[in-house]
Amino acid sequence: GAVVSQHPSWVICKSGTSVKIECRSLDFQATTMFWYRQFPKQSLMLMATSNEGSKATYEQGVEKDKFLINHASLTLSTLTVTSAHPEDSSFYICSAASGSYEQYFGPGTRLTVT
Amino acid sequence: GQSLEQPSEVTAVEGAIVQINCTYQTSGFYGLSWYQQHDGGAPTFLSYNGLDGLEETGRFSSFLSRSDSYGYLLLQELQMKDSASYFCASTHPNQGGKLIFGQGTELSVKP
Repeated sequence: GAVVSQHPSWVICKSGTSVKIECRSLDFQATTMFWYRQFPKQSLMLMATSNEGSKATYEQGVEKDKFLINHASLTLSTLTVTSAHPEDSSFYICSAASGSYEQYFGPGTRLTVT
Repeated sequence: GQSLEQPSEVTAVEGAIVQINCTYQTSGFYGLSWYQQHDGGAPTFLSYNGLDGLEETGRFSSFLSRSDSYGYLLLQELQMKDSASYFCASTHPNQGGKLIFGQGTELSVKP
């Protein structure tokens, strides 16, 4: 149990375009979903926390207008990187929680902006 | 600020025991979690300490001392497949349940 999927697993886009990444909890209802960014050989940096039906809470320094988060249901959250630039290239990982301390992570999406 | 310090790299041989330390300075700290991440993969949950003391889960154990703001992950009977990055993370239920991760320790297990 506790499976989280992400789609796509990798994406290449041109500078200036927008990319949407989906995060789904497949076998449980997630009260909260989290979005992280990870550069090679570095730690996971929390970008935002989202709860179903409410606005996401962004961490300091994360541009909310650039990284749009929508949490439409208890099983789906989306992250849209708007007007992507090469510096946005990274590994984006979501996680889902259902009230306990444990978070279940998706397999990640590797974004490359050319 | 919020910070969790870990050694960046640890090397050990198969069958050995290794300890990965984590010292933290975080506000609103509730407990300490440990996650494993293989290269290019998703982090997977290993252990959680909500109270001081030792938690044992198979070959992995984790320890927490709140008075020392310190914890560690102990891996016994190391196997080649244990080569991965290990992250400690502080849990913050009063901040939406978010995790704040340490910088990670890359463990290399040699034959």
